[in-house]
Amino acid sequence: EVQLVESGGGVVQPGGSLRLSCAASGFIFDDYGIHWVRQAPGKGLEWVSLISASGESTYYVDSVKGRFTITRDNSKNSLHLQMNRLRAEDTAIYYCARRPPYGDYVDYWGQGTLVTVSS
Amino acid sequence: EIVMTQSPATLSVSPGERATLSCRASQSISNTLAWYQQKPGQAPRLLIYGASTRATGIPARFSGSGSGTEFTLTISSLQSEDFAVYYCQQYKNWPPYTFGQGTKLEIK
Repeated sequence: EVQLVESGGGVVQPGGSLRLSCAASGFIFDDYGIHWVRQAPGKGLEWVSLISASGESTYYVDSVKGRFTITRDNSKNSLHLQMNRLRAEDTAIYYCARRPPYGDYVDYWGQGTLVTVSS
Repeated sequence: EIVMTQSPATLSVSPGERATLSCRASQSISNTLAWYQQKPGQAPRLLIYGASTRATGIPARFSGSGSGTEFTLTISSLQSEDFAVYYCQQYKNWPPYTFGQGTKLEIK
């Protein structure tokens, strides 16, 4: 069974930092790219970042470029999102989500971790 | 950036009836469109990819159609568990991947 389990969310002050993690199981991790997608309270879905299966390629939405960094450790089946200089508008549930090898959509989602940026 | 627009924002339908949800892209995306279902307090779930291919385990009452800029998700006979929010997502031109704002399907 494919499982993606996020952790690391919490409350942080504006300008602060947080590191999210995603633990993967039930599939060959280094065959798949992984997305981060977020959802502000009561709002829709927003794609944040993608890392390729090998980790060599990374992509970001403009609003987080230069502040967020996505990395992965294929030896530990884990993914991370380092979030710096956080803003109130970064408040959201953050989902890690699997990208299938043959398409750029999401075929499995984690349950998400809540990040709240507030003073 | 490709903008995805869903309509209507809210759709009220009775159980057993058909529901038709629309998604429009600001430019042609061929068939690179996915549909997701999200219930309250849950993560989204993939329903359809490639505009019309059902994901693993998705019931046959869900069908997708369209290409280019106009797409439709049809639920042929609504069950109680189908009342949720539905999102479309394009994956033709990225980054960024973009989602529609969602359609809330509610019980009439």
